[in-house]
Amino acid sequence: DAGVTQSPTHLIKTRGQQVTLRCSPKSGHDTVSWYQQALGQGPQFIFQYYEEEERQRGNFPDRFSGHQFPNYSSELNVNALLLGDSALYLCASSPSKTGGIETQYFGPGTRLLVL
Amino acid sequence: AQSVSQHNHHVILSEAASLELGCNYSYGGTVNLFWYVQYPGQHLQLLLKYFSGDPLVKGIKGFEAEFIKSKFSFNLRKPSVQWSDTAEYFCALETNTGRRALTFGSGTRLQVQP
Repeated sequence: DAGVTQSPTHLIKTRGQQVTLRCSPKSGHDTVSWYQQALGQGPQFIFQYYEEEERQRGNFPDRFSGHQFPNYSSELNVNALLLGDSALYLCASSPSKTGGIETQYFGPGTRLLVL
Repeated sequence: AQSVSQHNHHVILSEAASLELGCNYSYGGTVNLFWYVQYPGQHLQLLLKYFSGDPLVKGIKGFEAEFIKSKFSFNLRKPSVQWSDTAEYFCALETNTGRRALTFGSGTRLQVQP
């Protein structure tokens, strides 16, 4: 079992550009959440996808959007990048039918640097 | 809105020393509480959790945490740390709204010296 995988591992963009990050959930997991972890901070919840729809959202602007595909994989898109978007972006997956949030597995993250 | 505070940002201990990391939260309702650990170069992993019942919960690798409702605290403890415990530790909560989303503290970097 590969667990949660994310791509790319590192990314460098410039201000104003757009970026897409990808996540493949752990086998058997159908719910995907995205978190942003700025340097020296804890992860902050961005949003969660289930059944290809955004189920809930944290306090992030509309520049942050996402998508979930029928195979449960997910993308995080960020438009009009700002320097403050530089962070580690974590994907976490969990099964909707069994257990609670403690069943959530985190991926290794994508480190985004905005210049 | 809920929040989690971890007041120790960086802790340095010698092997065999005892560990206590502080965590306080702010929320008016019922919460589920967690400690996560992130070893260097590895994913965030669940260390232990508290949902209800016995306020003293035990996790993996000899860690335990105590929930004190009156103090809104959930401190992490280990009687004797090892060099392999060097990692970043995050306290987190889930509110009882069923959102299945975590609110994390800012983390504590633990460095254990051999």
